[in-house]
Amino acid sequence: AQSVTQLGSHVSVSEGALVLLRCNYSSSVPPYLFWYVQYPNQGLQLLLKYTSAATLVKGINGFEAEFKKSETSFHLTKPSAHMSDAAEYFCALELGGYNKLIFGAGTRLAVHP
Amino acid sequence: SAVISQKPSRDICQRGTSLTIQCQVDSQVTMMFWYRQQPGQSLTLIATANQGSEATYESGFVIDKFPISRPNLTFSTLTVSNMSPEDSSIYLCSARTPMNTEAFFGQGTRLTVV
Repeated sequence: AQSVTQLGSHVSVSEGALVLLRCNYSSSVPPYLFWYVQYPNQGLQLLLKYTSAATLVKGINGFEAEFKKSETSFHLTKPSAHMSDAAEYFCALELGGYNKLIFGAGTRLAVHP
Repeated sequence: SAVISQKPSRDICQRGTSLTIQCQVDSQVTMMFWYRQQPGQSLTLIATANQGSEATYESGFVIDKFPISRPNLTFSTLTVSNMSPEDSSIYLCSARTPMNTEAFFGQGTRLTVV
């Protein structure tokens, strides 16, 4: 069965520190992978997506993620955290052609001064 | 891209009543979806809204409880029927455009059942 696992429901970093949000997936076919961000009382906004092109994907707001098939991972990173990055982050998987997204449980990122 | 508007943005409802949530997209889309986000949890797909035919429901969701309409390529509604406090959630509409690999989301409807 297809699934997405996000390690760490809460991550706290200092402003300016590296952000690392972990995502592992399980899929029997090559997946499309996404990272979405949800700010309080808002919908989801796409940060970046992997659709079988380059394995290192750059997104908005300085975020990037690397698809590692051997590790079945798609971790999200940002070199230097900003206070405005505080939000909930969701990793999601799509099986090509089915158009349905399977979401991880989410990771709440806190950024402190 | 696609801009999705949901109405209402929030509501407080009495148990046993029903609420219809509207989702309007500013462009024609191929796929529309309804998700539920229970408090502190992730998103769970309720159903795929099919234009001109019955919605396709995921395991654990049934048409009698969550009837869905999609009369055209830009509009869909989700009704939460015979509500109980357990239905208190955020309900999100999502859409895919023909030329995009990403899904777009509305801002959600925050439903509280008392």
